[in-house]
Amino acid sequence: DIQVTQSPSSLSASIGDRVTITCRASQDINNYLHWHQQTPGKAPKLLIYAATTLQSGVPSRFSGSGSGTDFTLTISSLQPEDFATYYCQQSYGTPYTFGQGTKLEIK
Amino acid sequence: QVQLQESGPGLVKPSETLSLTCTVSGGSINNYYWSWIRQSPVKGLEWIGYIYYSGSTNYNPSLKGRVTMSVDTSRSQFSLRLTSVTAADTAVYYCARPWTIWGQGTLVTVSS
Repeated sequence: DIQVTQSPSSLSASIGDRVTITCRASQDINNYLHWHQQTPGKAPKLLIYAATTLQSGVPSRFSGSGSGTDFTLTISSLQPEDFATYYCQQSYGTPYTFGQGTKLEIK
Repeated sequence: QVQLQESGPGLVKPSETLSLTCTVSGGSINNYYWSWIRQSPVKGLEWIGYIYYSGSTNYNPSLKGRVTMSVDTSRSQFSLRLTSVTAADTAVYYCARPWTIWGQGTLVTVSS
C-alpha cells in the first residue's frame, strides 16, 4: 500500500496567519494527491485535487504544491472558518489511502 | 446538484452482516465510479472500495474478502455489504463520488 504521512498532526495558529501542512508519500505518486477539509460532524470536503488544482468554490487563499512524493497545502491568511482538520489522500494506486490528518486550532 | 444519502441499520451484532445503501439524487449514476469510505478514531479515514456504474469493483484488500458492492442503476443506488463484522468495524460510513461529492455519513455501531 502507498502510505501518505502528514505533518504536523496538530497546529495552533491565529487569524491572518499563513500556515503550511505537508504530506509525504511512500513512493512516487506523480500528482495524484488531493486535500480535504473536515469540520466536526461533517463529511470531508475536497479543497484541492491533482496536487495543485483548486476545487470550484474554494477560496483562493488555499493553494497546493508538489509532485512525486512531497506535497504541501498552504492557507495564505487564516479565516475563522478554516479551523478544521485537513487530510491528504492519494489516488495513484489502490487501495487509496488518506493521511492521518492535521488538526488546525485557534491559538 | 448531485446529492448522496446513506441509509441502513445503525446497529449491527458481531458476526453479522452490515448492509448500507447510497441513493444518488440530482444527477445520473451512470458513467461514474462510486466509493465507500469509513472513518473511525482508531483507523482514521479508510477507503473500502469502489464500484463503477457498470458493476466492476475494486476493494481494499485489508478487508480480507468480507466486502461486496453492488449497483442498481434503475434505482440510482449502490450498496455495501460487509460480512462477519466485529467491533473494529464500528465507524461512520460515507458514500462518495470520488472525490467531490460525499454523503453526510452514517454511524454504524457493532455491538451485541
